[in-house]
Amino acid sequence: AQSVTQPDIHITVSEGASLELRCNYSYGATPYLFWYVQSPGQGLQLLLKYFSGDTLVQGIKGFEAEFKRSQSSFNLRKPSVHWSDAAEYFCAVAAEGAQKLVFGQGTRLTINP
Amino acid sequence: NAGVTQTPKFQVLKTGQSMTLQCAQDMNHEYMSWYRQDPGMGLRLIHYSVGAGITDQGEVPNGYNVSRSTTEDFPLRLLSAAPSQTSVYFCASSYSGVHEQYFGPGTRLTVT
Repeated sequence: AQSVTQPDIHITVSEGASLELRCNYSYGATPYLFWYVQSPGQGLQLLLKYFSGDTLVQGIKGFEAEFKRSQSSFNLRKPSVHWSDAAEYFCAVAAEGAQKLVFGQGTRLTINP
Repeated sequence: NAGVTQTPKFQVLKTGQSMTLQCAQDMNHEYMSWYRQDPGMGLRLIHYSVGAGITDQGEVPNGYNVSRSTTEDFPLRLLSAAPSQTSVYFCASSYSGVHEQYFGPGTRLTVT
């Protein structure tokens, strides 16, 4: 069965600094990979997704993620964070063609002014 | 479009009580799903539906029932609430499978 690990429960960065959130997945074939963001008290919003093709995917709000098959990773990056990026971030994986999504535990991002 | 709506926003139940969490979407999405969110555990899939009349179990289905009589609605029923069901519940929908799911605002449920 597929699984997702987000090693960092909580990350704090300064406004304007770069950001990388880690995500490792476990799945034998090529997975569908997603990053979602949850602002406090809100539902989740899709940031970006990878299905196939170019391993560097661009998303909304200036985020990007890189799929590395050899490392089973799909890390999320942003070159310069803004205070409004403070939220919880979830990585998720689905088996190709599957109807079920498996989420990681989430990483809470705090931004220092 | 209202997107995905959930009612109620908050609910407190006593152990053994039953209730239905409502979920509706106006995007004509075929796929709908229910998740529960607990601290440190991310979101876990409870049940999902790929279309009207078709439902299936997710990762944590015990204690929950669903039905899908229309494309728009996907209610989640707790038949006999237990404290372990204290959680935040999210409904989501998408045009197909797990591709870009749109999430509702959530229902915070407390069972005492």
